[in-house]
Formats: sequence, C-alpha cells, structure tokens
Amino acid sequence: NAGVTQTPKFQVLKTGQSMTLQCAQDMNHEYMSWYRQDPGMGLRLIHYSVGAGITDQGEVPNGYNVSRSTTEDFPLRLLSAAPSQTSVYFCASSSTGKNGGRAEAFFGQGTRLTVV
Amino acid sequence: AQTVTQSQPEMSVQEAETVTLSCTYDTSESDYYLFWYKQPPSRQMILVIRQEAYKQQNATENRFSVNFQKAAKSFSLKISDSQLGDAAMYFCAYRSSATNKLIFGTGTLLAVQP
Repeated sequence: NAGVTQTPKFQVLKTGQSMTLQCAQDMNHEYMSWYRQDPGMGLRLIHYSVGAGITDQGEVPNGYNVSRSTTEDFPLRLLSAAPSQTSVYFCASSSTGKNGGRAEAFFGQGTRLTVV
Repeated sequence: AQTVTQSQPEMSVQEAETVTLSCTYDTSESDYYLFWYKQPPSRQMILVIRQEAYKQQNATENRFSVNFQKAAKSFSLKISDSQLGDAAMYFCAYRSSATNKLIFGTGTLLAVQP
C-alpha cells in the first residue's frame, strides 16, 4: 500500500539549475497538489490538479511548472532554481469526497530542497 | 478567497492534562471540510481529525475532539490526557467542496512537558 510516493527526500541545487520533483499516487485520486513549507508560514499551495490534463495555480506558483498527463503522476519542475526556493516541498493527493469518498489529503514524505 | 488562521504559534501542556488549539477560518461557502493534521519532527503529515461542515455533531477520535462552531467559523482541537507523543506541529486546514483546494493555517507547535 504505497499511497503517495515523493522523490527525492533531499536535494541541493545551485542557483540557476533546474530539477523535477516526482510525485506518484496509487489510490486513483482525482485531486493532486504541491505545497511548500517554510517556517512560520504553514503549507502554501503552489499548483494543483483536479484530473489528468487539468492544472491550476495556487498561492505561490512563480518559478514552478506542473503537468498532469496521467491520474497517477504530478511532477513539479523548478525551471531556474533560486535561493528563495529553499524549502520543504510536499505532494498530496485526495479524492473529491463525493459519493462517500474520503476528503482528506494523503501526503508524500516531503523533499528538503536547498538552493545555494 | 478562503483563509485559515491559527493565532497560537506555540503551546505547552503537562503530560496527562488537556490542551485546546485554536483555529478560525474565513469563507463564504456553506459546503466544506475542516481538518487537523499533525506533523512530528519526522515531517510526516498525519491526519488527526476530520469534520464535514454539514454535520452539526463535533467529530471525535479517541483523545482528540473538535469544537466546531460554524456560525463563528471556529474549529478548535482539544487533546485530552496529553502524551509525550503528541508533541508536534499541528495544522488546521480547510477544503472547499467546490474547488477541492486545501489550504492551511500557519501551525501551532505543541510541547508536552513530562
């Protein structure tokens, strides 16, 4: 029962480098999202998706790209890393909660990203 | 836009005592979900309790219960018989039924004193 698999757990990037954080879920959830967690600021929504082929911006989308080609996968791309993107990143998935589905989000283990 | 406010950055409780964490939210929607998540030092996000807005009855899960006041837009978490393992960051979260977006408060760091 894998749930939400997020990789890598740790990453160090140099300013200007690009990378992709991977997220996969095996629960057939429609809804997937990416958050960043910074001290004192809680979890802030970066991008989210309500189904394959559909994505939308959250509170802090600048500098990040997403795509959703399958129900299972929702990668987050950093186009040109900046020190301000140093953070802990979480991927989450959930059902819509309708038709008796559970509405709570299931989270990956998080990625600690440092940009130097 | 919806917002979630946790006004207590840090709280402390003695082992075996009861503590209440506060959360307020702002929304114009009538259909939504509220959650409390726990994040221990391992940084794993763990669901503590869930409340559907259409349910008047307060949710309970063992030692955890909520006081859901829909008109006041308040959703506090009560932890009874606190244990050392309850020490963690606690996040209040709101999920819109219309958009499915899940947003979080800034968290309350709970310390449990032996």
